[in-house]
Amino acid sequence: DVKVTQSSRYLVKRTGEKVFLECVQDMDHENMFWYRQDPGLGLRLIYFSYDVKMKEKGDIPEGYSVSREKKERFSLILESASTNQTSMYLCASLAYDSDLYGYTFGSGTRLTVV
Amino acid sequence: KNEVEQSPQNLTAQEGEFITINCSYSVGISALHWLQQHPGGGIVSLFMLSSGKKKHGRLIATINIQEKHSSLHITASHPRDSAVYICAVRLTHSWGKLQFGAGTQVVVTP
Repeated sequence: DVKVTQSSRYLVKRTGEKVFLECVQDMDHENMFWYRQDPGLGLRLIYFSYDVKMKEKGDIPEGYSVSREKKERFSLILESASTNQTSMYLCASLAYDSDLYGYTFGSGTRLTVV
Repeated sequence: KNEVEQSPQNLTAQEGEFITINCSYSVGISALHWLQQHPGGGIVSLFMLSSGKKKHGRLIATINIQEKHSSLHITASHPRDSAVYICAVRLTHSWGKLQFGAGTQVVVTP
């Protein structure tokens, strides 16, 4: 089974801190995504990557950056955390040439910024 | 306006009942996904559809490309089916990006 592992289930950070959310997949997938999920707003795409060192902005990239130095790891960075970034963050991966299995999501990181 | 509309928003059923969740979309897609999210946050991909119908256990998903509509059916529902079900469409020429519906909260009572 494909696994997508997010480094933390719960995080509490202070306003202004630099925050790193890590996501690792073990199936050599090309495409990886970071979403955030908020009540009433659903899931929204922050950034995605279709190859090592390649990244594209999603719908809500402001206040975030990403890093993909290795194929298996896609990191989301909050440059200076703010309270409006309190949310559930979900990472997902997708093999570029395979529709068979669809997406695989990580179990999510619930981030609270105080 | 959301390009992916789900209905109903909430649904309560008694154990054993047949459940249907609907999804309509207004954009060109290469595939439609049905996802399940249990309390605690983890999302599981149930189906990926580009045409026709798929079945897995008690779950059935159908899609009508011409009408831009999909349904997820749960037969003989069980309390463990209680979850949020999310419809998501993969836009054409989009590197696999998904656009999500708002989700349907399903509660199945014993």
